[in-house]
Amino acid sequence: AQTVTQSQPEMSVQEAETVTLSCTYDTSESDYYLFWYKQPPSRQMILVIRQEAYKQQNATENRFSVNFQKAAKSFSLKISDSQLGDAAMYFCAYRVNYGGSQGNLIFGKGTKLSVKP
Amino acid sequence: GAVVSQHPSWVICKSGTSVKIECRSLDFQATTMFWYRQFPKQSLMLMATSNEGSKATYEQGVEKDKFLINHASLTLSTLTVTSAHPEDSSFYICSAGLWGVTYNEQFFGPGTRLTVL
Repeated sequence: AQTVTQSQPEMSVQEAETVTLSCTYDTSESDYYLFWYKQPPSRQMILVIRQEAYKQQNATENRFSVNFQKAAKSFSLKISDSQLGDAAMYFCAYRVNYGGSQGNLIFGKGTKLSVKP
Repeated sequence: GAVVSQHPSWVICKSGTSVKIECRSLDFQATTMFWYRQFPKQSLMLMATSNEGSKATYEQGVEKDKFLINHASLTLSTLTVTSAHPEDSSFYICSAGLWGVTYNEQFFGPGTRLTVL
């Protein structure tokens, strides 16, 4: 069975500092996607960043970057220059790539990030 | 990006009544829609996957006779909670899949908060 584990229920970071959120996953598939989603208090799910498993290069989106270690099945999110608006729940998610159609997302339990001014 | 709407955003109902929640993809056609349930301070749990024109696939433990899902068109899926009870109170989130040769992503609706008295 595919599982996603986030071992940090809560994290805190000082504004303008850098923080790393951890995520590990378990799968026997070779073709899949990994995601980080942000859920602010409004509860709207927002895609932060995605990584295709076949790509060796780590994905980056402005202040957000990932460290994808396929062999270790690790997918951490680094937030640089943290801003107050980054405070939210962050969910790591996994999805198998079935080609023309896509499987459902499997979510971790989430990490609540607080940003201190 | 693609937009998914949900209606209503919140609903309060009496125990024993039925409630219908609509999920619409506003600017794209979604052959697959997903329904999630999220309890306070918890992760998203997939309830069912619905494909346009066919019966929904329910996750283990989800009562299909209680949570009726209809995906009658490429832009609309509905979730009906029948004979609602207080334990059905939760936050329900839908997502719509946009799949292509080089692009695939799920877009989330803003969620519906259901409170059963």
